[in-house]
Amino acid sequence: AQRVTQPEKLLSVFKGAPVELKCNYSYSGSPELFWYVQYSRQRLQLLLRHISRESIKGFTADLNKGETSFHLKKPFAQEEDSAMYYCALSRGVNTGTASKLTFGTGTRLQVTL
Amino acid sequence: DAGVTQSPTHLIKTRGQQVTLRCSPKSGHDTVSWYQQALGQGPQFIFQYYEEEERQRGNFPDRFSGHQFPNYSSELNVNALLLGDSALYLCASSFHRRGEQYFGPGTRLTVT
Repeated sequence: AQRVTQPEKLLSVFKGAPVELKCNYSYSGSPELFWYVQYSRQRLQLLLRHISRESIKGFTADLNKGETSFHLKKPFAQEEDSAMYYCALSRGVNTGTASKLTFGTGTRLQVTL
Repeated sequence: DAGVTQSPTHLIKTRGQQVTLRCSPKSGHDTVSWYQQALGQGPQFIFQYYEEEERQRGNFPDRFSGHQFPNYSSELNVNALLLGDSALYLCASSFHRRGEQYFGPGTRLTVT
């Protein structure tokens, strides 16, 4: 069975402080990992996918297969980063039809002055 | 491109009734997935449609059914509504082999 765990419901940081949103997963195989973000009154949108190895809005995430983690990091938090963040997992993209996403319960990031 | 669109935005139904939710995928996408998001939870996968067939299904009862049309749009039907069906229903579209799913704004269903 596939599972995604986000241990923190709320993470509160000061502007300019580093951010790390934790995500751990369980999956027997080679999954694809994603971070989705939902800003206030907006739809869920893709922030990062591990195979792209991009930095979006200053955020990065590295897949650690040994620790089965995919933590989201940003060196300096901005007020506009305040949002709900969801980690999600699917089976690898090369297995055919786009696969279902299994989401964690989400972490609300609150950036204060 | 308006992206993924869903209708209606909000819906209030009574226990035992039936409901139909609609989704139009992003231009160029051919696969539609439906998710249920209860308050305080992450989205949970209901099912996925590709080439007008249900391809994958999550752990939801048969009361939840769907359809995909030749233009790739999709419907989610829920019969015999229960109070516990109250949630935000999200539609996501993708191009089948890419794995990247784009979400619609959701339909908020309240069952009283």
